[in-house]
Amino acid sequence: DIQLTQSPSFLSASVGDRVTITCRASQGISSYLAWYQQKPGKAPKLLIYAASTLQSGVPSRFSGSGSGTEFTLTISSLQPEDFATYYCQQLNSYPPWTFGQGTKVEIK
Amino acid sequence: EVQLVESGGGLVQPGGSLRLSCAASGFTFSSYWMSWVRQAPGKGLEWVANIKQDGSEKYYVDSVKGRFTISRDNAKNSLYLQMNSLRAEDTAVYYCARIIAAADHNWFDPWGQGTLVTVSS
Repeated sequence: DIQLTQSPSFLSASVGDRVTITCRASQGISSYLAWYQQKPGKAPKLLIYAASTLQSGVPSRFSGSGSGTEFTLTISSLQPEDFATYYCQQLNSYPPWTFGQGTKVEIK
Repeated sequence: EVQLVESGGGLVQPGGSLRLSCAASGFTFSSYWMSWVRQAPGKGLEWVANIKQDGSEKYYVDSVKGRFTISRDNAKNSLYLQMNSLRAEDTAVYYCARIIAAADHNWFDPWGQGTLVTVSS
């Protein structure tokens, strides 16, 4: 199975900060990666697919990059509504389509 | 509006069974692969199972193989997860999700609101 490791697991940041979350795959997955945002008590919401394509309706301050084994999700200027947990998911080989362990972004 | 609504969760004893349902609306259900994903309390996301548009292909995470069965009824726009021989470690919120496939890529969108399954005596 392909393992995904996100770093950091926890991030404390202020409104307006630039935030970068990394997702590393245990083997190459080309660009078969998606990013989701989850707020407490809510379902995950798609942010980015195919590693770098922004889902329709998602603010342009979110961006994704990477290919192979290393990927990043960047929030260019953190907004109050962005405090949440973020997950990467590999959709290269399955079963299973694995998720990273999550990165919780909290207010400093 | 594209919508997925899960139901059927609840409290069940270890070794018991439960059937989850996911009602789809706002899109042509029969045209999409569908998936179940779960999240144990305070934990991360875990993919559980996928099913092809016509139900001819099904895939499961190893931990539920032989115990869970994913199915669908395209006439009713509904997805199901039959869960047997339930264990404490199956306790989780279960989400259904539509799988979008385009240009050789896949992603999950949207997700339902989830239904909580608690396995406890």
